[in-house]
Amino acid sequence: QQQVKQSPQSLIVQKGGISIINCAYENTAFDYFPWYQQFPGKGPALLIAIRPDVSEKKEGRFTISFNKSAKQFSLHIMDSQPGDSATYFCAASMGRQGNKLVFGAGTILRVKS
Amino acid sequence: DADVTQTPRNRITKTGKRIMLECSQTKGHDRMYWYRQDPGLGLRLIYYSFDVKDINKGEISDGYSVSRQAQAKFSLSLESAIPNQTALYFCATSDLGRTYGYTFGSGTRLTVV
Repeated sequence: QQQVKQSPQSLIVQKGGISIINCAYENTAFDYFPWYQQFPGKGPALLIAIRPDVSEKKEGRFTISFNKSAKQFSLHIMDSQPGDSATYFCAASMGRQGNKLVFGAGTILRVKS
Repeated sequence: DADVTQTPRNRITKTGKRIMLECSQTKGHDRMYWYRQDPGLGLRLIYYSFDVKDINKGEISDGYSVSRQAQAKFSLSLESAIPNQTALYFCATSDLGRTYGYTFGSGTRLTVV
């Protein structure tokens, strides 16, 4: 049973468009929500992260939106570029369990030029 | 040199064989993790270690064992490999810093035939 549910499984976006990936969780003890980006042949790399005391965090073209009451968070990639084509994982952790990360199933993003 | 180095990068082994995957890091992090990646399932935690004398099972530890030989080294063993252990394996490290970010190795692709 996956503690963090991620959708969609795959996504195709035109260059310049907005990519949106959604995640939902059940455990309200989670207190840290990162997104990881993985290119083929590489390990995942931290992209951006948010804590539940804020509703949005933006870093460049990447934004996390967080809805604590709905227990959902999403990644928005503005002005999507072919170089953004990768697999994206949402994750969650809780401090009282030593911050072990629980990952979503991943979304394969393809940005068409 | 990479911060987190995994060896081998690729391995094909036969059912029933014992195999060891190795991980070494130069990050100076105390915490190390082994994850398994399967399509559609994301990354699942196999074992983790918060320091040299600490070893903990993750969500899918059956059929695996680990050894933390030093702060910088954490190896994963499959005592008797089976085909459903065919997967991409990742080692990761973290500290208890502000970002709680993980640093992943480039992975080991293991095929059990």
